[in-house]
Amino acid sequence: NAGVTQTPKFQVLKTGQSMTLQCAQDMNHNSMYWYRQDPGMGLRLIYYSASEGTTDKGEVPNGYNVSRLNKREFSLRLESAAPSQTSVYFCASSEALRASGINGELFFGEGSRLTVL
Amino acid sequence: AQSVSQHNHHVILSEAASLELGCNYSYGGTVNLFWYVQYPGQHLQLLLKYFSGDPLVKGIKGFEAEFIKSKFSFNLRKPSVQWSDTAEYFCAVGSGAAGNKLTFGGGTRVLVKP
Repeated sequence: NAGVTQTPKFQVLKTGQSMTLQCAQDMNHNSMYWYRQDPGMGLRLIYYSASEGTTDKGEVPNGYNVSRLNKREFSLRLESAAPSQTSVYFCASSEALRASGINGELFFGEGSRLTVL
Repeated sequence: AQSVSQHNHHVILSEAASLELGCNYSYGGTVNLFWYVQYPGQHLQLLLKYFSGDPLVKGIKGFEAEFIKSKFSFNLRKPSVQWSDTAEYFCAVGSGAAGNKLTFGGGTRVLVKP
């Protein structure tokens, strides 16, 4: 089982460049999420998609855009990268936004390490 | 907005020592509570979760956590750690209406010395 797959795993950008992080899940999950991980700050939610066709801002959405291409795929775009966006980005998925009990869990990808010079 | 606090940023232990990591959250309503672990170079994995019922939750690898509603706490424990428990541990909280849109604590790095 692939689970949640992210590409690329590593990327170096110059300030002002754009790029898209790709994420796909094969678990037929309805909800998908993008988090960034910074030392001492844990994971912070950038955007999420409760279901196909919907996206919503999380805690730190500025400088990012997302697209929920279909049920499987959820991409994160940096239109004009800034050094403050140097981070490790994690995509995650869950059965549904409100799933609980046995179905209540986020499944994470392996992360994408982005450096903006 | 809800917030999650993990009081210890770094913990160093010897093998066989007991581990307890603190987690407090601020949210007055129904919450879903999680502990995730990130081993070096790997993605986050679920250790255990609490949605309802018995406030003492047992997870994988001998970990357990206790939900104390009156203290807004969900502390993680393991009676006897192993070198392989070296990792970063994250507490996370989801509010009842959007239970899987999680707010994470800052993480605790645990180093277990052999």
